[in-house]
Amino acid sequence: DAMVIQNPRYQVTQFGKPVTLSCSQTLNHNVMYWYQQKSSQAPKLLFHYYDKDFNNEADTPDNFQSRRPNTSFCFLDIRSPGLGDAAMYLCATSRVGAGGETQYFGPGTRLLVL
Amino acid sequence: AQTVTQSQPEMSVQEAETVTLSCTYDTSESNYYLFWYKQPPSRQMILVIRQEAYKQQNATENRFSVNFQKAAKSFSLKISDSQLGDTAMYFCAFANAGKSTFGDGTTLTVKP
Repeated sequence: DAMVIQNPRYQVTQFGKPVTLSCSQTLNHNVMYWYQQKSSQAPKLLFHYYDKDFNNEADTPDNFQSRRPNTSFCFLDIRSPGLGDAAMYLCATSRVGAGGETQYFGPGTRLLVL
Repeated sequence: AQTVTQSQPEMSVQEAETVTLSCTYDTSESNYYLFWYKQPPSRQMILVIRQEAYKQQNATENRFSVNFQKAAKSFSLKISDSQLGDTAMYFCAFANAGKSTFGDGTTLTVKP
């Protein structure tokens, strides 16, 4: 089935140790999103790619970077994780145009920072 | 920039009854999409219902329907015949040309 896949599902890292989260999609959607979600809160948009165009939210810390090497894959790099970065990270995709911009979410990666 | 406001942090409803979740938004765009997403305790976010702003007819999906008032910038979700499986956090969201904004969410508990 077409879907949004996130790896790993759980990631434990040490304070300050770089970590990379990955997202892949088989939907051929032109937009990919990264959200940070803390418990019982709304997802906070970090950035999104519209095709190759990178869009960074104004309040996304510099500690967070992203790469989209091709249509199917998108990566979230956290250069020096702090305790406050422990959260669920959600990847989503959508199609602008015929797709009606519905977002399809992956299952998320839960990040724990020790 | 657009904003989405959900004024009800928590709500509860008895099984089989009807409940309405509120959402208001603000935008200067004329064409956009509005959504209600559901996030159960498993944290998997799924679409409940979608409304195109250019359509006057309110969207419906089985037990779920919306009341879309474009002039008032209001987009409420009605859940009929509530079921225990409807217990979740519900997010109202706005999208336009790839830009996305979520409300703070409403936690809905369906009581047996």
